[in-house]
This record gives sequence, C-alpha cells and structure tokens, in this order.
Amino acid sequence: AQSVTQLGSHVSVSEGALVLLRCNYSSSVPPYLFWYVQYPNQGLQLLLKYTSAATLVKGINGFEAEFKKSETSFHLTKPSAHMSDAAEYFCAVSSTNDYKLSFGAGTTVTVRA
Amino acid sequence: NAGVTQTPKFRVLKTGQSMTLLCAQDMNHEYMYWYRQDPGMGLRLIHYSVGEGTTAKGEVPDGYNVSRLKKQNFLLGLESAAPSQTSVYFCASSSPFPPQGTDTQYFGPGTRLTVL
Repeated sequence: AQSVTQLGSHVSVSEGALVLLRCNYSSSVPPYLFWYVQYPNQGLQLLLKYTSAATLVKGINGFEAEFKKSETSFHLTKPSAHMSDAAEYFCAVSSTNDYKLSFGAGTTVTVRA
Repeated sequence: NAGVTQTPKFRVLKTGQSMTLLCAQDMNHEYMYWYRQDPGMGLRLIHYSVGEGTTAKGEVPDGYNVSRLKKQNFLLGLESAAPSQTSVYFCASSSPFPPQGTDTQYFGPGTRLTVL
C-alpha cells in the first residue's frame, strides 16, 4: 500500500518569495513520485516526476523537487513566486510495479502582490 | 491532438436518475482511469482499465460502473445517482510503452456533477 501526506492545505506567499510545498509518502516498494498542478476549473497538469534517476528533479515553470529516501519526502520548491503560480498542487505516488496513483489532499497556493 | 476529452462538462441530476460520462483519448494509450475530486480529499480512483474490454475497481467503486468497449473510450455510469456522488470527475490515460512509460497520467478537463 502507498499513501501521500501533504502538510498544509493552504499556503500564502508574496510575489517573489520562496514557494515550499511539503509532501511525505509511504510505500513498501521503490516509489515513483509526482507533482501535479491544477489551475481553477481545469484538469491536472504534470509539473515534474521522480522515477529513480536523479534525486533533484526539475520541472516546468521553474519548479523543482528533491527526493529524500531517508525522510520519505518529496518537497516542491520554487525560488521566486509569480502571480501565475496561484493554483492547487497535488503530490502523488505510484510504485514501480503498479501504475495506479495515490494522491495527497492538495495544497492551495495564493500569491500576494 | 485533443488529448483527453470529457463529455459533458456540467450536469445536474435528481436523486435516482442515471447518467453516463464519456471519456475519449486520441493518444493510443492502453490505460484509462476515472477519479473523483472532493474538497480536502484529493483525487480518488473509482475504476480503471488496462486495455480494451478490461476494467477493475479502484479505491471508491461503489455506485459506479464502467465499460471500455473501444480502446479510445472509457465510460463511467451512475445507475441511481445519490447526493454523495456530487463531485468533479476526472478521466486520465497513460501508456506502458516508451517513451512515456506507465508513470505519467494525462488528465481531461473534468465533469462537474451535482446530484440534488
């Protein structure tokens, strides 16, 4: 079984400030880890993914995430927030022998001018 | 490519009515999924399919049925709608073959369903 916990359902940041979204996972086998973004009234779009290659993963729109096995974490960061980053972000996990995704509850990001 | 499309975008049902949601993908993907999204709960898998003619239950399958008669289509049915099925429904697809592998799911825009 696998699961994801996202710490913080809402995050508010100032434009230009660091964005940090936390994700911890549990998995009995080596995991694949994902971050998806959902803009209002839209579907989910893949930001980045970890599939056992480099532990620091770079994604679209300036986001990156680091896989830390010892901490079972996959936190998402962006050095400088932009107004267009306002959205809901989902962390998800699947295992290397299973194609089903388990999602976290999501974190809504608001960006203050 | 249209990617993953869903029909309809919005629907309002009365308790006990039935309906079918249609998902179509033009990426020749083998795998297709139906999720529901509720506030504070993320996305939960309802049913999924690993190929034409095959379906399987996900995390929250009760009250739903699915069919995959054609590779490109995945239908989600509600036989007798209940208010607890008010939600936003997302379809997704993925491929086990290179270059995409099984790890990336592509999502449709969603269907917002209200059951009164």
